[in-house]
Amino acid sequence: DAGVIQSPRHEVTEMGQEVTLRCKPISGHNSLFWYRQTMMRGLELLIYFNNNVPIDDSGMPEDRFSAKMPNASFSTLKIQPSEPRDSAVYFCASNFLSGSGEQFFGPGTRLTVL
Amino acid sequence: AQSVTQLGSHVSVSEGALVLLRCNYSSSVPPYLFWYVQYPNQGLQLLLKYTSAATLVKGINGFEAEFKKSETSFHLTKPSAHMSDAAEYFCAVTAYGGSQGNLIFGKGTKLSVKP
Repeated sequence: DAGVIQSPRHEVTEMGQEVTLRCKPISGHNSLFWYRQTMMRGLELLIYFNNNVPIDDSGMPEDRFSAKMPNASFSTLKIQPSEPRDSAVYFCASNFLSGSGEQFFGPGTRLTVL
Repeated sequence: AQSVTQLGSHVSVSEGALVLLRCNYSSSVPPYLFWYVQYPNQGLQLLLKYTSAATLVKGINGFEAEFKKSETSFHLTKPSAHMSDAAEYFCAVTAYGGSQGNLIFGKGTKLSVKP
């Protein structure tokens, strides 16, 4: 069974460019979470969806960040324009809304903004 | 609001020694608690979880944790460290209690194992 799939695994871009991160949750899961991990701030929730609907986006840093979940098997996190302080590892996780709360994490996308 | 505190950002043990990683939580509702492990350049992998059943929870790779409500603790232990246990460990609590919502993570504890 495939786990959570994220692409790309690594992204290097220049300040001001648009960046799109992609996530495919585990088939059948109906909750999806985007986290950001940095040395300074640790793991932070950016946004999460239940049944494709955004529930809590209070962690989205600012208007430069946006996330969508057009269907149950795909989500994107977009940064436009990107800034050097956005450099981090971005994780996507998924689970069953009515499960035990355990979240299954993807391998992450390491973003470097020059 | 729920929160998690992990004492010690870095713990070093000798191979074969006891591993003890500390986690204290704050929760206004009965919590679900988790320990995750992260190896370099990888995502987080679940070690074990407490979901209001048995207070002593056994996980993968010989790890276990005990839920102590009176101490608001969920410390992770392993009787004998192995070199392959070197990784970063995260304690987490569900944001709203029970199984709903996102996880609130501690800052993590990096475990080093000396030969």
